Amino acid sequence: GNSVTQMEGPVTLSEEAFLTINCTYTATGYPSLFWYVQYPGEGLQLLLKATKADDKGSNKGFEATYRKETTSFHLEKGSVQVSDSAVYFCALSTREGNNRLAFGKGNQVVVIP
Amino acid sequence: GAGVSQSPSNKVTEKGKDVELRCDPISGHTALYWYRQSLGQGLEFLIYFQGNSAPDKSGLPSDRFSAERTGGSVSTLTIQRTQQEDSAVYLCASSLLTGAYEQYFGPGTRLTVT
Repeated sequence: GNSVTQMEGPVTLSEEAFLTINCTYTATGYPSLFWYVQYPGEGLQLLLKATKADDKGSNKGFEATYRKETTSFHLEKGSVQVSDSAVYFCALSTREGNNRLAFGKGNQVVVIP
Repeated sequence: GAGVSQSPSNKVTEKGKDVELRCDPISGHTALYWYRQSLGQGLEFLIYFQGNSAPDKSGLPSDRFSAERTGGSVSTLTIQRTQQEDSAVYLCASSLLTGAYEQYFGPGTRLTVT
């Protein structure tokens, strides 16, 4: 089946620091990969996506590259802001699975001024 | 344009009662999904509707859960004889099937079973 693994635990860092959140996956079929973000008190929003190997998704200064050889889709941002504090979810979908999303557990990111 | 809407935003119910949760997808989106977000289980898929096809119910946790989608638009998720473990945020998402299958989420219904 399809599954997504995110690194354990919350991430706390200072403003302007570099952020990395690891994500690895297993999938039946060829997955599309996503990062969703949930800001405090708000709903899930798509942050970025990639639909084939070596594609790079990017948005709001965040990037992630679809690495088929390592089955990974790590999220990075070079200089975080307090407004980036949120929960970040890695997810995948496949056509064989009716494109339903399989999510990782999520990572709470707290950016301190 | 209007996004996915869900109602009610919060629902508190007594154990054993039935509840109905409503989802209005984005106009023109043919695919509709229900997910559940809980502390213990994270985000889980429940059910999927696509046009007039039979729904994919493979994520429903028990036969107390059911859902329907009328006229290819509004969907209702029904939980019968609610249990405390049903307490969670129920999320609805819709998408166009063409393109990159991006799903747009509603704000969710927070269900608390006392």
